[in-house]
Amino acid sequence: GNSVTQMEGPVTLSEEAFLTINCTYTATGYPSLFWYVQYPGEGLQLLLKATKADDKGSNKGFEATYRKETTSFHLEKGSVQVSDSAVYFCALTFTNTGNQFYFGTGTSLTVIP
Amino acid sequence: DADVTQTPRNRITKTGKRIMLECSQTKGHDRMYWYRQDPGLGLRLIYYSFDVKDINKGEISDGYSVSRQAQAKFSLSLESAIPNQTALYFCATSDLQGGGELFFGEGSRLTVL
Repeated sequence: GNSVTQMEGPVTLSEEAFLTINCTYTATGYPSLFWYVQYPGEGLQLLLKATKADDKGSNKGFEATYRKETTSFHLEKGSVQVSDSAVYFCALTFTNTGNQFYFGTGTSLTVIP
Repeated sequence: DADVTQTPRNRITKTGKRIMLECSQTKGHDRMYWYRQDPGLGLRLIYYSFDVKDINKGEISDGYSVSRQAQAKFSLSLESAIPNQTALYFCATSDLQGGGELFFGEGSRLTVL
């Protein structure tokens, strides 16, 4: 079956620290991979995505590389800010069907000044 | 105005009551979804619809029903609410041509006493 496993939180970092949130997946085909972010009191919004192996998605200083050999899509940022405090969700879907997104359980990040 | 609008944003109700959560969108997308978010469980798909005449069950459809009144409107109903349906509910839309990205509303927090 298809599933996403991501690092459990909560994660607390000091401002300017390096961030890694691990995400691994199981898929029966070749999915597209996503990171969504949920700021307090808001819905989820797309942070970045990658549609094929070795693609790197990037946005707002965040990066993630689609690693087929390790079935991973780890989220990284070199220097976090207080405004990055949010819940981060890893997800996959198959764009040729588009009907089923598989989400991880979410990782809460708090950045302290 | 938000592209995906959910009403109500917050609702407290009693066991056995009928509840409807409404979703409307201005993105012109054919595909609409209802998700439920619970702490530690991530997002789980309740129902999805590819167009006005198409309704499909997700992984946790028991106890819920939906209505797609128009391309822009997708409502979720709880016929007889129970306390374990207390959760945060999200409506989302997608456009297959957009690479599978989901666009979320801000959520409807439902509490069943």
